[in-house]
Amino acid sequence: ETGVTQTPRHLVMGMTNKKSLKCEQHLGHNAMYWYKQSAKKPLELMFVYSLEERVENNSVPSRFSPECPNSSHLFLHLHTLQPEDSALYLCASSQEAGGGGSPLHFGNGTRLTVT
Amino acid sequence: GQNIDQPTEMTATEGAIVQINCTYQTSGFNGLFWYQQHAGEAPTFLSYNVLDGLEEKGRFSSFLSRSKGYSYLLLKELQMKDSASYLCACMDSNYQLIWGAGTKLIIKP
Repeated sequence: ETGVTQTPRHLVMGMTNKKSLKCEQHLGHNAMYWYKQSAKKPLELMFVYSLEERVENNSVPSRFSPECPNSSHLFLHLHTLQPEDSALYLCASSQEAGGGGSPLHFGNGTRLTVT
Repeated sequence: GQNIDQPTEMTATEGAIVQINCTYQTSGFNGLFWYQQHAGEAPTFLSYNVLDGLEEKGRFSSFLSRSKGYSYLLLKELQMKDSASYLCACMDSNYQLIWGAGTKLIIKP
């Protein structure tokens, strides 16, 4: 299996639920990212990990909690979400964080609906 | 503030040429990316420009003018499979990516 894989593809959860999104990259990259994509809005960077250390946290509410156990895996733990958190959550990886022309490789995303 | 502007939606005809423009205002500049995103799928990398001029890759070309804060993506010999959203993203002086909201391109037969 190659590229960036995200599971699940779709998730419906209530506001009191706890769930986790999983991302795995098979590209040997050193940096991994979580983005939020809402309709007709620019991608919003949530978290960046470089060599398993968090290097960016863009004022994301604490109801979103990232975890990076190793350079190939990234999780996003969700709890007590709000309906406005419904969006497509994209995981991405790159050779290095913030490095010049190193492009991002994205997973297909998790479509999250909060009811 | 930092900002990327691109048209929300464009329509073109199969076999024709279309140009998608992107203007940017950022704190410093370390390159500009174009990505393609089909509905329900991952964005995929198309091009990276850091110097002025035109970069050609098959049917797709990307142009950059740093003095004007302007880029465009040119798609030739349009095919139905080119129907997608095209995302422009600019890297600022801190190597942060600033994203546009994307241009939805609709190809008609």
